[in-house]
Amino acid sequence: DTAVSQTPKYLVTQMGNDKSIKCEQNLGHDTMYWYKQDSKKFLKIMFSYNNKELIINETVPNRFSPKSPDKAHLNLHINSLELGDSAVYFCASSQARGNYNEQFFGPGTRLTVL
Amino acid sequence: AQSVTQLDSQVPVFEEAPVELRCNYSSSVSVYLFWYVQYPNQGLQLLLKYLSGSTLVESINGFEAEFNKSQTSFHLRKPSVHISDTAEYFCAVSDPRRGGYQKVTFGTGTKLQVIP
Repeated sequence: DTAVSQTPKYLVTQMGNDKSIKCEQNLGHDTMYWYKQDSKKFLKIMFSYNNKELIINETVPNRFSPKSPDKAHLNLHINSLELGDSAVYFCASSQARGNYNEQFFGPGTRLTVL
Repeated sequence: AQSVTQLDSQVPVFEEAPVELRCNYSSSVSVYLFWYVQYPNQGLQLLLKYLSGSTLVESINGFEAEFNKSQTSFHLRKPSVHISDTAEYFCAVSDPRRGGYQKVTFGTGTKLQVIP
């Protein structure tokens, strides 16, 4: 059973295009995240949603727009793609309970912008 | 602000030899500490965590890490590595005060290469 799934797994596109990455979790969690992992493996949080509400919004270009239609889904839409957007994007989810929330990660989407 | 430093970007080690992956953190408050493992072409998986209590924490596959507050370290160790341990290992820190909405800050990762 897939806990956190992402589609597509690979995405190759031209500069200037608009693309979306989808994420779904079947763990019943109420918080979801998007991370970007660059070519040096550095992992940085981009956004976090709790119960469809944005709670973490790091310094990310406004070309990136997350959308959470429900608690189980968090999609990432990217406008006007640039070369520097090439990276692996990870979705994660957790249950905000008490003082700790273990995050479960999806398999990643490798985005290549040509 | 919190930060994590993993000084070693790559650690080659022979199979069945011991290994230590170093992690130091910077924080003005108490912290939660984590080690995540990323196998090739996969997402991150939680390996072990320190929240409170005993400073020595263990994983089910033989790894252990010790929280050292005075040295602000959380080094990961395994007495005998296996080929299957080849992966990228990330140390991470979060602020317990933020409760369930805590942001996890990751280190830059250490690639463990086990040599047959």
